[in-house]
Amino acid sequence: AQKVTQAQTEISVVEKEDVTLDCVYETRDTTYYLFWYKQPPSGELVFLIRRNSFDEQNEISGRYSWNFQKSTSSFNFTITASQVVDSAVYFCALSDFQTGKLIFGQGTTLQVKP
Amino acid sequence: EPEVTQTPSHQVTQMGQEVILRCVPISNHLYFYWYRQILGQKVEFLVSFYNNEISEKSEIFDDQFSVERPDGSNFTLKIRSTKLEDSAMYFCASHIADPNTGELFFGEGSRLTVL
Repeated sequence: AQKVTQAQTEISVVEKEDVTLDCVYETRDTTYYLFWYKQPPSGELVFLIRRNSFDEQNEISGRYSWNFQKSTSSFNFTITASQVVDSAVYFCALSDFQTGKLIFGQGTTLQVKP
Repeated sequence: EPEVTQTPSHQVTQMGQEVILRCVPISNHLYFYWYRQILGQKVEFLVSFYNNEISEKSEIFDDQFSVERPDGSNFTLKIRSTKLEDSAMYFCASHIADPNTGELFFGEGSRLTVL
């Protein structure tokens, strides 16, 4: 069965601190995709990144970076120099290769205090 | 930028009433989905739809739920007789072609409150 685990329920940091959100997944598929979404208080799901299982290169986009480690089935997300606007719930998700449906983790609530 | 639009943004209904949530996927997209998020919980898959039929549904998607693409542009989720536990945010999503290429586009969600 496919499963995504985000063990950190809530994280609180002070502005400008770096923060890493953990994501561990389970799948029997050899080909799959991993995602991160941000859900601000307004409720919409904001796409952050999509990574396929064959590409283990780390990715950096501004203050955001992602570390994909297939050996440990992890896809962690780091925000550098956090800002108050980063406060949101962050979801990691795994896509089913056959159907494209997403399996979401429980989410991590990030609070960045000024 | 193309987007998935959902209406209504918020609906309040009485238990036992029928509700229809509407979605307009991006025009050249072929795969459509509904997801549900109960307040404070994770986003859960409900159903996927391709080629005018359901391709997969979760155990949540029981006989009270149905989906339809009535006119080639709208994609609707109907709940026949709402229950208190149907209160949630419902997200529509669409995908252009092969589900494993490109981004899955989500709408902004429809919040359903069942009283």
